[in-house]
Amino acid sequence: DQQVKQNSPSLSVQEGRISILNCDYTNSMFDYFLWYKKYPAEGPTFLISISSIKDKNEDGRFTVFLNKSAKHLSLHIVPSQPGDSAVYFCAASPETSGSRLTFGEGTQLTVNP
Amino acid sequence: ETGVTQTPRHLVMGMTNKKSLKCEQHLGHNAMYWYKQSAKKPLELMFVYNFKEQTENNSVPSRFSPECPNSSHLFLHLHTLQPEDSALYLCASSQNIKGREKLFFGSGTQLSVL
Repeated sequence: DQQVKQNSPSLSVQEGRISILNCDYTNSMFDYFLWYKKYPAEGPTFLISISSIKDKNEDGRFTVFLNKSAKHLSLHIVPSQPGDSAVYFCAASPETSGSRLTFGEGTQLTVNP
Repeated sequence: ETGVTQTPRHLVMGMTNKKSLKCEQHLGHNAMYWYKQSAKKPLELMFVYNFKEQTENNSVPSRFSPECPNSSHLFLHLHTLQPEDSALYLCASSQNIKGREKLFFGSGTQLSVL
């Protein structure tokens, strides 16, 4: 039973446009959500997070939106840059289980010049 | 550079070999983790250590044996592996294992079992 799902294995956008990556979860106990970015031959690096008391968190070009009723979150990148091309992982955890993160399968984002 | 170093970066081993993966973190963190990433699958948590004590074993087969001699070092000892164990093995660390901790990952060891 996969509790965090990223249904789009890949996404291709033009430089300067918006990239929207989506993530759905099933466990209603999840209350902390993170996005990680992974380049080839490197480990995932933390990008942005949001707790369930918020519905939006913004950091520069990156904004994460959380819709608790739909158990859905999304990552918006505006404007997209070629250096953003990477695999993006959504992750979630219930606070009571500490930092035990459950990850999605990842979405490969390609930003074309 | 995330402050978490894994060696080797690549490893090819036969099913009868014994090998070890090494992880070292320079962040002063107290918790360390092993994750497995198979092709087109989510990262799977294998083991969690907090202050050198194992706090979680996620039903991992005994052919994977972790060792945490101190809060900065973590090993994964491998023996009699199967071809389906071929994957990217990622080490991570966090300040603690309380809620809402960010994990810092190493670059991983790409393991191929022949």
